[in-house]
Amino acid sequence: GAVVSQHPSRVICKSGTSVKIECRSLDFQATTMFWYRQFPKQSLMLMATSNEGSKATYEQGVEKDKFLINHASLTLSTLTVTSAHPEDSSFYICSAQGGAGNSNQPQHFGDGTRLSIL
Amino acid sequence: QKEVEQNSGPLSVPEGAIASLNCTYSDRGSQSFFWYRQYSGKSPELIMFIYSNGDKEDGRFTAQLNKASQYVSLLIRDSQPSDSATYLCAVSGYSTLTFGKGTMLLVSP
Repeated sequence: GAVVSQHPSRVICKSGTSVKIECRSLDFQATTMFWYRQFPKQSLMLMATSNEGSKATYEQGVEKDKFLINHASLTLSTLTVTSAHPEDSSFYICSAQGGAGNSNQPQHFGDGTRLSIL
Repeated sequence: QKEVEQNSGPLSVPEGAIASLNCTYSDRGSQSFFWYRQYSGKSPELIMFIYSNGDKEDGRFTAQLNKASQYVSLLIRDSQPSDSATYLCAVSGYSTLTFGKGTMLLVSP
């Protein structure tokens, strides 16, 4: 149980392109989804928290106009990196949490998306 | 500022030994405690979670929680080379999960 699917697994594209990443909870309803970024040999950095049907909450320093998050249903959240530049190259990982807003439930992670901007 | 502290390691143990991974946290109001394993280049995978003081066992893994000391640990018995990874401690209170920076474990054959 608690499977989270994330696509695509790898993206290589030119600077200025917008990239959309999907995160789906396959066997449970995810009331809350999270988006993280991880640079090589560094720890996970939370970018934003999204609840189904409401606007995402972004962490300090994360540009909401650059990283667009949509959580339209209880099983799907998307992250769009708009006008991506080489400095946006990173490992992006989503996680999903069930439990109707109970933050004490485990987060289950997708496999991540490795984004490389040329 | 909620903090979760882990020794970055690497912690090196021989195959078959017990690996002990430790974590301390600053927020006394923390209620849930999680251990994730992350292989290089992969996303974190949930190993165990614990809510109450004491020990919780699952196969070769045992999580230990001491809320008075604000300390949580993970024991891995009969360590295998495939256990070599970075282990992330995560702590939750009333809001989001706070991750430690992880301890790298190396199990040598």
